[in-house]
Amino acid sequence: EPEVTQTPSHQVTQMGQEVILRCVPISNHLYFYWYRQILGQKVEFLVSFYNNEISEKSEIFDDQFSVERPDGSNFTLKIRSTKLEDSAMYFCASSVTSGSGFTEQYFGPGTRLTVT
Amino acid sequence: LAKTTQPISMDSYEGQEVNITCSHNNIATNDYITWYQQFPSQGPRFIIQGYKTKVTNEVASLFIPADRKSSTLSLPRVSLSDTAVYYCLVGPRTVTDKLIFGTGTRLQVFP
Repeated sequence: EPEVTQTPSHQVTQMGQEVILRCVPISNHLYFYWYRQILGQKVEFLVSFYNNEISEKSEIFDDQFSVERPDGSNFTLKIRSTKLEDSAMYFCASSVTSGSGFTEQYFGPGTRLTVT
Repeated sequence: LAKTTQPISMDSYEGQEVNITCSHNNIATNDYITWYQQFPSQGPRFIIQGYKTKVTNEVASLFIPADRKSSTLSLPRVSLSDTAVYYCLVGPRTVTDKLIFGTGTRLQVFP
């Protein structure tokens, strides 16, 4: 069964450093998302991406965040200058439009980001 | 998006049927009800979606009464591997919509 993959599984970085989290969505999917989950808290939406542009972003997704689909397979989330409060599990998800106009979002296993 | 209310936690034993009810009193006409499952340290996984009456797949059943103000996710004969957090989401069925997760129901299955 096709699946969303994410790398690395765990990233440790120092405050103020830039990090890039990578995702490979399912190959025929057209819509891409990033979510995050701070330990013990809810899964929170960050951004959705379609047709090489951001469709929607949350208040969390400020100027320190950016997303890119540099080629036909990867989808990346960049945090320019990490803060302690960016420590969380980051999930990539993808979905594809079906004939009925909706299908579920498929989530990757996540990248645990630890900012020290 | 409609606000949902579900129990914070539930306990069960292997082999039992588990029913998790979600309340969504202000559900809109074009809203669908979707359930996701999340195992520890993993991403959420779609379980089932419905609009009204009953939907069944190989994993679960979803019961939705006529007024659609609540729904019940039914897991038949749970096993230890069903221990997870279960989320009820209510919203329009559009492909670009973000998912809004609540705190979910933490199901613990005991041997």
